[in-house]
Amino acid sequence: IAGITQAPTSQILAAGRRMTLRCTQDMRHNAMYWYRQDLGLGLRLIHYSNTAGTTGKGEVPDGYSVSRANTDDFPLTLASAVPSQTSVYFCASSDGSWTDTQYFGPGTRLTVL
Amino acid sequence: SQQGEEDPQALSIQEGENATMNCSYKTSINNLQWYRQNSGRGLVHLILIRSNEREKHSGRLRVTLDTSKKSSSLLITASRAADTASYFCATDKKGAQKLVFGQGTRLTINP
Repeated sequence: IAGITQAPTSQILAAGRRMTLRCTQDMRHNAMYWYRQDLGLGLRLIHYSNTAGTTGKGEVPDGYSVSRANTDDFPLTLASAVPSQTSVYFCASSDGSWTDTQYFGPGTRLTVL
Repeated sequence: SQQGEEDPQALSIQEGENATMNCSYKTSINNLQWYRQNSGRGLVHLILIRSNEREKHSGRLRVTLDTSKKSSSLLITASRAADTASYFCATDKKGAQKLVFGQGTRLTINP
């Protein structure tokens, strides 16, 4: 089924550990995004990539890094996890720019203890 | 504060009734989008309305946009149990290079 896949579905992580959340899309979309969703705060953009080889910072980038080596994959890395990074993480993509329809993955529920 | 803010925060209605959710925003936009999120799932795009459009329909959905009031509404007609979800508006604030999501309206359709 075409779309976006994310892995893992959920993860419990000890503080200080490194973690990479995976995101893959098969729609050949140029742009990809990472959001976190927290109760009462809605979705907030962490990082984005307008096209393969480029990335940019969103609203809450601190503590996170991304790479975009190819069109399909957009991994999000937490170098040293902290409890405030406990959240649900969504990857999304869009065919054109950030103003276009975004297609979301199913999310990764991350708990940092 | 959020660029897009939904109102009400929660809405509970009987199946078959119409549901109306509102979104207000603060600055000029190119487009406004509405998304649905079922519990435990990712967001699903419902409809995009451009700043030069006033109304748009998709099935049982009707979206209006009033740029003078910086507000939009989403109407779901003849609601069904399957419409139970959270609904978010998202605005592409000019110059911001990102979509900004509101905190959502949690809609419950009672059988």
